[in-house]
Amino acid sequence: AQSVTQLGSHVSVSEGALVLLRCNYSSSVPPYLFWYVQYPNQGLQLLLKYTTGATLVKGINGFEAEFKKSETSFHLTKPSAHMSDAAEYFCAVSGRDMRFGAGTRLTVKP
Amino acid sequence: GAGVSQSPSNKVTEKGKDVELRCDPISGHTALYWYRQSLGQGLEFLIYFQGNSAPDKSGLPSDRFSAERTGGSVSTLTIQRTQQEDSAVYLCASSLVSSRTRGANVLTFGAGSRLTVL
Repeated sequence: AQSVTQLGSHVSVSEGALVLLRCNYSSSVPPYLFWYVQYPNQGLQLLLKYTTGATLVKGINGFEAEFKKSETSFHLTKPSAHMSDAAEYFCAVSGRDMRFGAGTRLTVKP
Repeated sequence: GAGVSQSPSNKVTEKGKDVELRCDPISGHTALYWYRQSLGQGLEFLIYFQGNSAPDKSGLPSDRFSAERTGGSVSTLTIQRTQQEDSAVYLCASSLVSSRTRGANVLTFGAGSRLTVL
């Protein structure tokens, strides 16, 4: 069975600081990996995805994630946090179906 | 339709009552998922439908929960004899699955049905 683990249920950063949200996966086959974002009072939307090819994936709003097979990780980063980045972020792995992590709530302080 | 539609958007019920939650996926999407989002619990997988295949029910928390998908389109999630711990937001998502895209499918989520059991 495939699964993802998100390290840290809550991350707080200052505006302009680096954002790092951690995700580790477990998969018996080459995984397809995703990050979804849920802004306050909104539905989930895709941020970025890794399928095959380039291991550094760029998404919307300046976010990117790097697939590291040796570390079974797919951490999400953004060089400079903005107030509008405050949201809940979910890592997901796809096999026969789609499984999500528990989510990380990002708070951005002014 | 243009997006995934869920109804009702809010449901308040008394403990012990049955509830039905409806999901209308994007037209043509062959895969349909139900998740439960509880405070601090993330997205809990409930059930997955793909085409005519037998659904993956491995995430249903108890036999009080059931779901069906009629005609490969609309799905209904039924919770019998509701309990207070069933209170959560129930999310439906759909995706287009083909032999070409396989597991690389992007899910489109509905706005969710918020269930409150008193």
